[in-house]
Amino acid sequence: GAVVSQHPSRVICKSGTSVKIECRSLDFQATTMFWYRQFPKKSLMLMATSNEGSKATYEQGVEKDKFLINHASLTLSTLTVTSAHPEDSSFYICSATSGRDYEQYFGPGTRLTVT
Amino acid sequence: RKEVEQDPGPFNVPEGATVAFNCTYSNSASQSFFWYRQDCRKEPKLLMSVYSSGNEDGRFTAQLNRASQYISLLIRDSKLSDSATYLCAVRGGGFKTIFGAGTRLFVKA
Repeated sequence: GAVVSQHPSRVICKSGTSVKIECRSLDFQATTMFWYRQFPKKSLMLMATSNEGSKATYEQGVEKDKFLINHASLTLSTLTVTSAHPEDSSFYICSATSGRDYEQYFGPGTRLTVT
Repeated sequence: RKEVEQDPGPFNVPEGATVAFNCTYSNSASQSFFWYRQDCRKEPKLLMSVYSSGNEDGRFTAQLNRASQYISLLIRDSKLSDSATYLCAVRGGGFKTIFGAGTRLFVKA
């Protein structure tokens, strides 16, 4: 199956700093990528939908100025958590679709801890 | 009302038991339906897609009732390795997928 990678897999940062998470489709072109956030023992919450070359569409309640998403190429989307605070500590997971099949491929996730 | 709702669980069952997971969705325009399995601190893995005609994959059977907006997953002869969180997922147009809160399953020897 298709492979999606995320980097870093784990990051610890100080409150007030910004953190960038990369999501890459390794063997296919991802026309659409999705960013999810998952708090402990909770479900995946969709944050935004990212289409290559256009602005991301954010879900209700997600601050677009705090969670900056860039999908500059068909294989890379980035999520930047700006001015991170402890309440932003979470598991961030991306997924990607090629549009050619019905499959949604998930990255392994990035665990963010803000101290 | 949440878009996708699942039994809160957790389910604690002995090996060999049959366990059923239920899920309801609110958007009647939803187009496709899935069950995912998520192990602790890992990304979700697709278990199976769900069709109105029902589909079976070994010990796993999934069913969709569009009229009732209800999805089910049945695991027969449960194994220790089935212990995980099972997530119901519903997709509309544009591949946007909404997940239920998940039901944790513990299978014990």
